[in-house]
Amino acid sequence: GAVVSQHPSWVICKSGTSVKIECRSLDFQATTMFWYRQFPKQSLMLMATSNEGSKATYEQGVEKDKFLINHASLTLSTLTVTSAHPEDSSFYICSASRSDRRDSPLHFGNGTRLTVT
Amino acid sequence: DQQVKQNSPSLSVQEGRISILNCDYTNSMFDYFLWYKKYPAEGPTFLISISSIKDKNEDGRFTVFLNKSAKHLSLHIVPSQPGDSAVYFCAATYNFNKFYFGSGTKLNVKP
Repeated sequence: GAVVSQHPSWVICKSGTSVKIECRSLDFQATTMFWYRQFPKQSLMLMATSNEGSKATYEQGVEKDKFLINHASLTLSTLTVTSAHPEDSSFYICSASRSDRRDSPLHFGNGTRLTVT
Repeated sequence: DQQVKQNSPSLSVQEGRISILNCDYTNSMFDYFLWYKKYPAEGPTFLISISSIKDKNEDGRFTVFLNKSAKHLSLHIVPSQPGDSAVYFCAATYNFNKFYFGSGTKLNVKP
């Protein structure tokens, strides 16, 4: 159990366009989901915490107008990279923890490789 | 400021021997620690965890040790297998509000 599905797994877009990434918890409810970004050979960088029914909490240095997060239901959070630029090319990973278990570890999606040309 | 650190970017071990991956943290508020395994182009997979009230947790070939006074934890894999080759991240959290990750250690288990 505790499967997190992320879609798409990879996407190539042109500079200036927007890209939406979906994160779904398939067999559990997730009040909170997290969005991470991973640069090559570097750590997972927390971008924002997505809370169902409320505004996301962004980490320092992350542009909330550029990385739009919507958490409309207990099983779905979306990240939209607006007006993408080549420097936004990265590996984006979502994660979620079970709402019904306080001590639930994070479960990750398989990530989305974004390439902006 | 990196609250969770993995100072060894890579580790190479012979098959059958022990792999020891280390992790240090700075925030004494952390009350739960986790290890994740990650293959290229995939999301991390949860491996094992430990609560701050314990100093050891074991699951098959994987054992995590926690030294709170030193703010240090380690993951032991015995015996190491080629399939264990991956990047290992340690993570820490308090109240499960946020999870902080180290920069990862790439483990290579040689046949």
